[in-house]
Amino acid sequence: DVKVTQSSRYLVKRTGEKVFLECVQDMDHENMFWYRQDPGLGLRLIYFSYDVKMKEKGDIPEGYSVSREKKERFSLILESASTNQTSMYLCASSYGLAGRGNTGELFFGEGSRLTVL
Amino acid sequence: AQTVTQSQPEMSVQEAETVTLSCTYDTSENNYYLFWYKQPPSRQMILVIRQEAYKQQNATENRFSVNFQKAAKSFSLKISDSQLGDTAMYFCAFMKHEYDSGNTPLVFGKGTRLSVIA
Repeated sequence: DVKVTQSSRYLVKRTGEKVFLECVQDMDHENMFWYRQDPGLGLRLIYFSYDVKMKEKGDIPEGYSVSREKKERFSLILESASTNQTSMYLCASSYGLAGRGNTGELFFGEGSRLTVL
Repeated sequence: AQTVTQSQPEMSVQEAETVTLSCTYDTSENNYYLFWYKQPPSRQMILVIRQEAYKQQNATENRFSVNFQKAAKSFSLKISDSQLGDTAMYFCAFMKHEYDSGNTPLVFGKGTRLSVIA
């Protein structure tokens, strides 16, 4: 089974702290994504990566950065956490090119619920 | 840009009954995929069903089926014989299909919270 593991299920941070959210997948997927989930707003794409050291901005990248040094790991970084970044963060992965069986299916981690005080 | 609209924030259904969740989308693309994902309470999101736009036949997966109306840009999910374990958030999603790259992210709707009542 595909496994996407997010390092922390629950985090509480202070305003201004630097926050790292880690995500690891074990299926050799090319694509990895970070979404933010808020009630009434659904899932909004923060950043995604389709290869090592590659990154693309999603719909709401402000206040976030990402790092993908290895294929299996995709990190989301909040340089200076703010209260409006309190949210559920979902990592997902998928195959890349159509020829590699890319059906579009995303495989999700369990989520990281971040509270910024 | 593509948009996905789920007009029902919350729904409920009696156990063993049938329920239909609505989804509409807006796109100028001709090749794309549509998905329904399920997020049970405190559990991870999983794929329920997938539809390729070029296929006229509606996708089915056991008790789950879709009504795909391409011209109307509508993609509803029907759950038959509802079970307590179907209680979850359901998200409709769209993905543009690019044959040479396949790297387009999914666009999600805001979700429908479904409660199955015993």
